[in-house]
Amino acid sequence: EVQLLESGGGLVQPGGSLRLSCAASGFTLSTYAMNWVRQAPGKGLEWVSGISGTEVSTNSADSVKGRFTISRDNSKNTLYLQMNSLRVEDTATYYCAKAVTGTRFALHIWGQGTMVTVSS
Amino acid sequence: QSVLTQPPSVSGAPGQRVTISCTGSSSNFGAGYGVHWYQHLPGTAPKLLMYTDNNGYINRPSGVPDRFSGSRSGTSASLAITGLQAEDEADYYCQSYDSSLGGSIFGGGTKLTVL
Repeated sequence: EVQLLESGGGLVQPGGSLRLSCAASGFTLSTYAMNWVRQAPGKGLEWVSGISGTEVSTNSADSVKGRFTISRDNSKNTLYLQMNSLRVEDTATYYCAKAVTGTRFALHIWGQGTMVTVSS
Repeated sequence: QSVLTQPPSVSGAPGQRVTISCTGSSSNFGAGYGVHWYQHLPGTAPKLLMYTDNNGYINRPSGVPDRFSGSRSGTSASLAITGLQAEDEADYYCQSYDSSLGGSIFGGGTKLTVL
């Protein structure tokens, strides 16, 4: 069964860092485009960052550019989101999601989400 | 304010047809980038309802009822739901790629209420 399991969320002070992990099972993560999407409390979905499949290209939303970095460890079949210089407005549930074959952003498999709270 | 504009809410009675619009611009739909639609229930992960493949065709993932359909024209897209059911009550989001932003974007979301 294809599954994604996020971890690494928690409470962090403004300016701090966190690394989210997304462990994939049932498929080889490196052959598909993967993305992070977040939802702040009471708000809509916001695309955060994406990484392509076989060619390693990444892109990120302007709101996190220069602070968040998406990467993957093929040996661990795991996707990461390194979040630095966190702000209160980064508080959200973060989801990792797998793209449909041949697409970059049509997200058909999602994890259950991990909550990140940025507060002093 | 989202680059993709959706109505905040729509409603319909059971059995009726509703449509949700998603208005973009020349840097997303107008540039030929496809549209994807999601259904999101509180406390759960979003569910992909419709997506545009690399050939520009709009597809419905397996398991999604054919009551859901999507279309795109010019700088706009829409999701239609026929035979409305109580279980369809949820938030719906459109998504595309924007060349000006260099990344993906979601619409602001539309809350569907089944009366």
